[in-house]
Amino acid sequence: AQSVTQPDIHITVSEGASLELRCNYSYGATPYLFWYVQSPGQGLQLLLKYFSGDTLVQGIKGFEAEFKRSQSSFNLRKPSVHWSDAAEYFCAVGAHNQGGKLIFGQGTELSVKP
Amino acid sequence: GAGVSQSPRYKVAKRGQDVALRCDPISGHVSLFWYQQALGQGPEFLTYFQNEAQLDKSGLPSDRFFAERPEGSVSTLKIQRTQQEDSAVYLCASSFDSNQPQHFGDGTRLSIL
Repeated sequence: AQSVTQPDIHITVSEGASLELRCNYSYGATPYLFWYVQSPGQGLQLLLKYFSGDTLVQGIKGFEAEFKRSQSSFNLRKPSVHWSDAAEYFCAVGAHNQGGKLIFGQGTELSVKP
Repeated sequence: GAGVSQSPRYKVAKRGQDVALRCDPISGHVSLFWYQQALGQGPEFLTYFQNEAQLDKSGLPSDRFFAERPEGSVSTLKIQRTQQEDSAVYLCASSFDSNQPQHFGDGTRLSIL
């Protein structure tokens, strides 16, 4: 079955520290992979996407993610977290033959300590 | 504005009432998606349109849920005889085509009393 797992429900990091949010997927087809961020009461904002090519992708707000096919992972990283990064982060997977339908993980809530 | 617009932002209804949720996609976007997001969960796919054609409705939870996009632009998600378990945020997303990233609206928070 197709699924996305975000093992960490809640993570707290200090401002200025590095961040890594984990995402593992199970998908039969060649996947498209996304990270979205959601602030309270808001919709989802796209941080970055992987369709093909270079497995290290750069996104907005200083985020990057690395696609590792052998580990079925697409972890999100940021070298130095800012207080404004506190939000809910969702990993999602789709495929060309699924008509764009996305399957989301349950999300990781990020808190930032001053 | 240039983004996906959803209305109303908040809707409170009594159990058994019918509700209609509206989505205005980004102009020119062919693909339109509806997702349901329960509290503390990730969004779950409901249905997908390409222009006016509903190509996938596999995620609709029951026959009480109905979506349409008659002119290939604005879409309406209708829920008949609402139940408490329908309480959730309903998110609409659009994309230039099905292989492009989806842009999300701010959602409609539906509360069924």
